[in-house]
Amino acid sequence: DAKTTQPPSMDCAEGRAANLPCNHSTISGNEYVYWYRQIHSQGPQYIIHGLKNNETNEMASLIITEDRKSSTLILPHATLRDTAVYYCIVRRYTGNQFYFGTGTSLTVIP
Amino acid sequence: GAVVSQHPSWVICKSGTSVKIECRSLDFQATTMFWYRQFPKQSLMLMATSNEGSKATYEQGVEKDKFLINHASLTLSTLTVTSAHPEDSSFYICSAPPTGNSPLHFGNGTRLTVT
Repeated sequence: DAKTTQPPSMDCAEGRAANLPCNHSTISGNEYVYWYRQIHSQGPQYIIHGLKNNETNEMASLIITEDRKSSTLILPHATLRDTAVYYCIVRRYTGNQFYFGTGTSLTVIP
Repeated sequence: GAVVSQHPSWVICKSGTSVKIECRSLDFQATTMFWYRQFPKQSLMLMATSNEGSKATYEQGVEKDKFLINHASLTLSTLTVTSAHPEDSSFYICSAPPTGNSPLHFGNGTRLTVT
């Protein structure tokens, strides 16, 4: 599975949009981009995933560049409860384990 | 939605004893489950893949005789940390892929402290 690169940490003001970037320049055509987050001492929580089209759900939006070498997770109105480590993962669609990178520690500031 | 349950959520044991951690898929069947370990301020590291009806597959560097995995049924996998030592103290997390189009779901983890 392709490796990902994320900034180690980011801050975001409460109520503003949080934009978390991820580079996955070696992604192959059949690999999806997944985003998870982990709040301290809990298991990772699924946020969103996509292949090549932009995706939106009740939690976030996922913007994938046309060449698929990078993506951005957008939390439209960050709250204090969004403070967590966010992981960007690429893998084939089903059956394969996830390999986690170092993630981005997002701190939402009041 | 798909739910993965892990038990216990935390455990403290003495050095040299063994500890068993259970991972259950509550509303779906899982032929494979994955076990991760996470040290403080670090990312999740995949330890092994648990396979129902066959032997587990371990990642490089993980001692299979120390971390015993048994996939007893389509809804239960167990990880036993044998002869635990303080350096085994960590956060252990399991996950399972539901069938269909659902993404991988994770348990809430087990905090193991070996004294």
